[in-house]
Amino acid sequence: DIVMTQSPDSLAVSLGERATINCKSSQTVLYSPNNKNYLAWYQQNPGQPPKLLIYWASTRESGVPDRFSGSGSGTDFTLTISNLQAEDVAVYYCQQYYSSPPTFGGGTKVEIK
Amino acid sequence: QVHLVQSGAEVKKPGASVKVSCKASGYTFTNYYIHWVRQAPGEGLEWMGIINPNSARTTYARKFQDRLSMTRDTSTSTVYLDLSSLRSEDTAVYYCARDGLVSTTGYYFDYWGQGTLVTVSS
Repeated sequence: DIVMTQSPDSLAVSLGERATINCKSSQTVLYSPNNKNYLAWYQQNPGQPPKLLIYWASTRESGVPDRFSGSGSGTDFTLTISNLQAEDVAVYYCQQYYSSPPTFGGGTKVEIK
Repeated sequence: QVHLVQSGAEVKKPGASVKVSCKASGYTFTNYYIHWVRQAPGEGLEWMGIINPNSARTTYARKFQDRLSMTRDTSTSTVYLDLSSLRSEDTAVYYCARDGLVSTTGYYFDYWGQGTLVTVSS
């Protein structure tokens, strides 16, 4: 199984500033024939199901604010939340879907400083 | 508007079985695969398996293969998760989630049910 490792476990960011979350996979999730990275990001608020933010590593899901952006390729990925808002306080997970079983990172908790 | 509505919380004794339902609406049920993902209290997310609502074909994660069953009822647009031989480690919130791609498997999840808490305790 592909192991997904997120860092940091938690971070505190001031309102309006940038939050950066890293995700590393134990093997590549880039499929060369179509040049797509099989990597998604989710946001989870307490007591709620996860919400899809980003797929194919950088494609924003419909309705997701453009302050959320995904980048990276191969084994190293980043979720950036620019201009952090109060409603962005949540736990964020990366997930690979390159190979079965799909696996998730351990999560990163974002708080307001 | 896509909705996945799950059945209510369950309390089970060790060794028992649990059946959780997930009723889909707002889209063509047979066009999208459904996954089940669970989350133990305070823990991360764990994929359990997938069902094709059109063919009823399933694929389960290796650790659940001997005690997990997923079925569907196309007449009510409902999928079911059946987990047997429950142990305390199965205490978790169980989510159904729709696959992000139509008519094929993408293995990322664009819509989620609200979750069903299953508590296993003697």
